[in-house]
Amino acid sequence: EVVLTQSPATLSLSPGERATLSCRASQSVDIYLGWYQQKPGRAPRLLVYDASHRATGVPHRFSGSGSGTDFTLTISSLEPEDFAIYYCQARKEGATFGGGTKVEVK
Amino acid sequence: EVQLVESGGDLVQSGRSLRLSCEASGFTFDDFAMHWVRQAPGKGLEWVSGIGWETSSPVYADSVEGRFTISRDNTKNSLYLHLNLLRADDTALYYCAKDIFRRGATTWSVFDNWGQGTLVTVSS
Repeated sequence: EVVLTQSPATLSLSPGERATLSCRASQSVDIYLGWYQQKPGRAPRLLVYDASHRATGVPHRFSGSGSGTDFTLTISSLEPEDFAIYYCQARKEGATFGGGTKVEVK
Repeated sequence: EVQLVESGGDLVQSGRSLRLSCEASGFTFDDFAMHWVRQAPGKGLEWVSGIGWETSSPVYADSVEGRFTISRDNTKNSLYLHLNLLRADDTALYYCAKDIFRRGATTWSVFDNWGQGTLVTVSS
């Protein structure tokens, strides 16, 4: 079973800054990793799948990269609505989520 | 517009059973694998179970294998989850989620649409 470790647990940044979130897999998941955003009291929203494919309607400031065991979600310039919790998910032979990274206002 | 509406959540005693439902609209339901994902209060996301578009190939997380049963009725555009032998650690908001890939494999899903969830609380 794949275990996903996200870091950091919390990221404190100001609007306009660049956010870099990491997700590391315990074994290779090839490119089969996605990212979700969740705001309080809301369902998760798909941002990126298969490492770098943006989902429909997702702004270009969100980008994903990586392969194998190391993946990154980058938010190029934080907007006020981007402060939320972000989860990575592997889809190789099952579905596994990481523990999440909270992006909070500094 | 895709809509997923869950129902059936309740406060139940440990050891009892419950059935959750998810009514889908806005897409060709029988073309997509469907899943249940849960979130305990204040915790992260945990995939629970999935079922293929053709109603076969159910898969389960180890934590629910043998206690939960997923099913779907493509004539009613509905997904179900039967929860048996409930435990306190099953307490969570249960989300219904749709696979992004048309006729994709159940164990290779990406969740592009989610419902708002239905709350299951298990008292010990």
